[in-house]
Amino acid sequence: DQQVKQNSPSLSVQEGRISILNCDYTNSMFDYFLWYKKYPAEGPTFLISISSIKDKNEDGRFTVFLNKSAKHLSLHIVPSQPGDSAVYFCAASAHGRDTGKLIFGQGTTLQVKP
Amino acid sequence: EPEVTQTPSHQVTQMGQEVILRCVPISNHLYFYWYRQILGQKVEFLVSFYNNEISEKSEIFDDQFSVERPDGSNFTLKIRSTKLEDSAMYFCASSEALNGYTFGSGTRLTVV
Repeated sequence: DQQVKQNSPSLSVQEGRISILNCDYTNSMFDYFLWYKKYPAEGPTFLISISSIKDKNEDGRFTVFLNKSAKHLSLHIVPSQPGDSAVYFCAASAHGRDTGKLIFGQGTTLQVKP
Repeated sequence: EPEVTQTPSHQVTQMGQEVILRCVPISNHLYFYWYRQILGQKVEFLVSFYNNEISEKSEIFDDQFSVERPDGSNFTLKIRSTKLEDSAMYFCASSEALNGYTFGSGTRLTVV
């Protein structure tokens, strides 16, 4: 089941620069997308989300872009900070299913170097 | 900030034994979920629960698994006869609506 794919297992960025994490999906029924951050031995922490009626959502240093025609979304973090080093998961849901089920990507490990 | 609490944080069990993983969701949340993450793999949906019944379950959630909300605050996942491949991090989550989940810190289940 590869409905949500994060093709880059890891990303290394210098502090202060932009981090761009990518996610692709295949299911056209998905209409809500989320990014989660996860530290070792902790649960995923919600970062930012976007509905399919939008193409951009911004919250402080985090911006999510959605390209529905390409079935692609990305998370931009700028400026990147060492504390951003974590695993980032993209997730998607189809609200029409009425259950709240999330499908997760495999995750991208971000390392921000001081 | 309200939290989802999971206990225990780590459970070791013998193959074939029953385990119960416990969760206390956020008090005003209506939707409850269990997910798991096998080491090195993606977070996988197991089951969603709303209005005292399962609303959706995955293929993983077979007859060995069950969920219960025995009182107004706890939400439990039971695995009747554990297998080695059940070893994983199990995450409970809750939400007020059909988005905006809050996850707990997880229970690491090790089946030996």
